[in-house]
Amino acid sequence: GAGVSQTPSNKVTEKGKYVELRCDPISGHTALYWYRQSLGQGPEFLIYFQGTGAADDSGLPNDRFFAVRPEGSVSTLKIQRTERGDSAVYLCASSLGPGGTYEQYFGPGTRLTVT
Amino acid sequence: GEDVEQSLFLSVREGDSSVINCTYTDSSSTYLYWYKQEPGAGLQLLTYIFSNMDMKQDQRLTVLLNKKDKHLSLRIADTQTGDSAIYFCAESMAGNTGKLIFGQGTTLQVKP
Repeated sequence: GAGVSQTPSNKVTEKGKYVELRCDPISGHTALYWYRQSLGQGPEFLIYFQGTGAADDSGLPNDRFFAVRPEGSVSTLKIQRTERGDSAVYLCASSLGPGGTYEQYFGPGTRLTVT
Repeated sequence: GEDVEQSLFLSVREGDSSVINCTYTDSSSTYLYWYKQEPGAGLQLLTYIFSNMDMKQDQRLTVLLNKKDKHLSLRIADTQTGDSAIYFCAESMAGNTGKLIFGQGTTLQVKP
């Protein structure tokens, strides 16, 4: 079956611009996660959705970052006034339910480059 | 706080065993995981262990957990060139959100 998909695969934007990154989770998965992976580092948690609500947004670095999941399926990560330090691979993962017992399936990521 | 540490690089010869080590700081971890990342591919879950276990074996993979020392290891038997990748250790915290804390990854190089 289809896995987690993310679009676009690559995004180049200028400093100060607004970007949206999209995640399509596996059908039926209620939990959705966003992570950010900088070069040479492990993924860093950003936000977790259970259904439509953000159950844990403690990893969002500042108020330029925002994410939504209005219908409990597709999610969009929005970054305002992008900075060069936002350049990274943004990973989305989904799982059947919350908590460690459910495997998180990762998408291929969106590589964001801010020039 | 939450912190997961790994050595950055390991090189082995094909057919040898590989042992990748990880230490973590938070004693409330419920599950510990090993993920594999190949170039151009997404993160793939290899195996995991519940925090009340001390060992888990899955074909060529053996996970050892020393909860007292907060040390986790992944042993790959009969390492193949296809095992060359970056391996990440991760922990899941108590509280049931599933949020994962990852280490910085260990690059495994397998020489023929």
